[in-house]
Amino acid sequence: AQKITQTQPGMFVQEKEAVTLDCTYDTSDQSYGLFWYKQPSSGEMIFLIYQGSYDEQNATEGRYSLNFQKARKSANLVISASQLGDSAMYFCAMRSPLDTGRRALTFGSGTRLQVQP
Amino acid sequence: EAGVAQSPRYKIIEKRQSVAFWCNPISGHATLYWYQQILGQGPKLLIQFQNNGVVDDSQLPKDRFSAERLKGVDSTLKIQPAKLEDSAVYLCASSYFPLLVGTYEQYFGPGTRLTVT
Repeated sequence: AQKITQTQPGMFVQEKEAVTLDCTYDTSDQSYGLFWYKQPSSGEMIFLIYQGSYDEQNATEGRYSLNFQKARKSANLVISASQLGDSAMYFCAMRSPLDTGRRALTFGSGTRLQVQP
Repeated sequence: EAGVAQSPRYKIIEKRQSVAFWCNPISGHATLYWYQQILGQGPKLLIQFQNNGVVDDSQLPKDRFSAERLKGVDSTLKIQPAKLEDSAVYLCASSYFPLLVGTYEQYFGPGTRLTVT
C-alpha cells in the first residue's frame, strides 16, 4: 500500500526567506509520481510541482523546487523567497504505480505554512 | 478555460437526511474523481471514473454513498442517509487522459463543505 508522511503539522518562515517542507513516501512500485499541492483558506487545491520516479533531475517551477532523494524515499518541497501569499496548507501526494488506469492520488496529512512579515 | 465546477459550495443537513453534490469537470477531461477531506486531513479518494465507467470505488462506503457519471461528463455524488462523520469537504477533480505516460496533473474544484448536525 502507498503511504505519504508529512511530519510537520505547522511551519513558520519569515518573508523573503526559504523554507523546506518535508515529505516521505512508501511504495513498492518502481514507477510512481510525486506531487505537491497548495490549499489556501478558500479551499481549492492548487497544483505546484511534479516529480516522476525516473526523472534524473529535481523538478523546479519558479520559486518551487522538489528535493527528490529516491534512496531515502523523500520528496521535500523547497519554497525560495517566501511571500505572504504563500501562507496555506501544503500537501504532498503520490500516484503509484504510474502505468495503470488507477490515477487517484494518495495524500499526506499536510503542513500549514505561515509566512510572517 | 473554465475550471472544475461544483455545487453547492456549502450544505448543512441533519443526520439521516440525504444530500447530493454536483460536479462538472474541465471540458475534454475523461477522468473524474471524488475526494473526501475531513478537517485536518488530506483528501481521500472516494471514487474514480474513466468516462462513464468506474475505475476505483474501493474506499466508497457503498451502503450510504453512491455516485454516477451517466454521459461521461458531469457527475453526482449522493449520501443517503448522512451520518455525523460525513461532515467534510467533498472535492471533485478531473484530469486529461493522454495516450502516453505523463504528469497526469489533476485539477480540483472549489469543493462542497458539508456539515451534518
